[in-house]
Amino acid sequence: SQQGEEDPQALSIQEGENATMNCSYKTSINNLQWYRQNSGRGLVHLILIRSNEREKHSGRLRVTLDTSKKSSSLLITASRAADTASYFCATDESAGGTSYGKLTFGQGTILTVHP
Amino acid sequence: GAGVSQSPSNKVTEKGKDVELRCDPISGHTALYWYRQSLGQGLEFLIYFQGNSAPDKSGLPSDRFSAERTGGSVSTLTIQRTQQEDSAVYLCASSLSTEKLFFGSGTQLSVL
Repeated sequence: SQQGEEDPQALSIQEGENATMNCSYKTSINNLQWYRQNSGRGLVHLILIRSNEREKHSGRLRVTLDTSKKSSSLLITASRAADTASYFCATDESAGGTSYGKLTFGQGTILTVHP
Repeated sequence: GAGVSQSPSNKVTEKGKDVELRCDPISGHTALYWYRQSLGQGLEFLIYFQGNSAPDKSGLPSDRFSAERTGGSVSTLTIQRTQQEDSAVYLCASSLSTEKLFFGSGTQLSVL
């Protein structure tokens, strides 16, 4: 299976509810990032968490990282219909602390927020 | 420009034809990436340019695929003798580091 596997593949919630997406990876990383994609086109960077960090917040986003389990989660609180999109995790893989220089993306979670 | 620009936005071609996809990165960004995304799938890494270093071509699926980056700026991804399985959205991104990539809107390639 691939680096950066995400679950669930699809998530459907009502406005105001929280949405949690998970990402697992296999190798050592320098950082893990989350991106959002609307309408199957360009991705937009949301948040980055470094390998020595455990939790990070940005507005309604909260990301956690557990390097011992090689997993991360993205929480979107108080969701809105406008949050409807695909969400991808991406890992900056490294060896001995040196980045390979490219990001490896997961398969993504499709989030639908119903008004 | 203000963002990463890709052209064309859509390309329809016949099986066996060659296609060229163009990417104009954000000015000053030293790194440029090409990814491919099939319908409903994640992003598949194709190739990565960093400054004047030799590109990382480890993701190119076959020798029909090639890419170049001229003058450290514009990049062209070329697919020769296109096949139906090449149909996908081809995404370009640029960055100053691996900590934040800026993506273009992609080229939707359809091979008939």
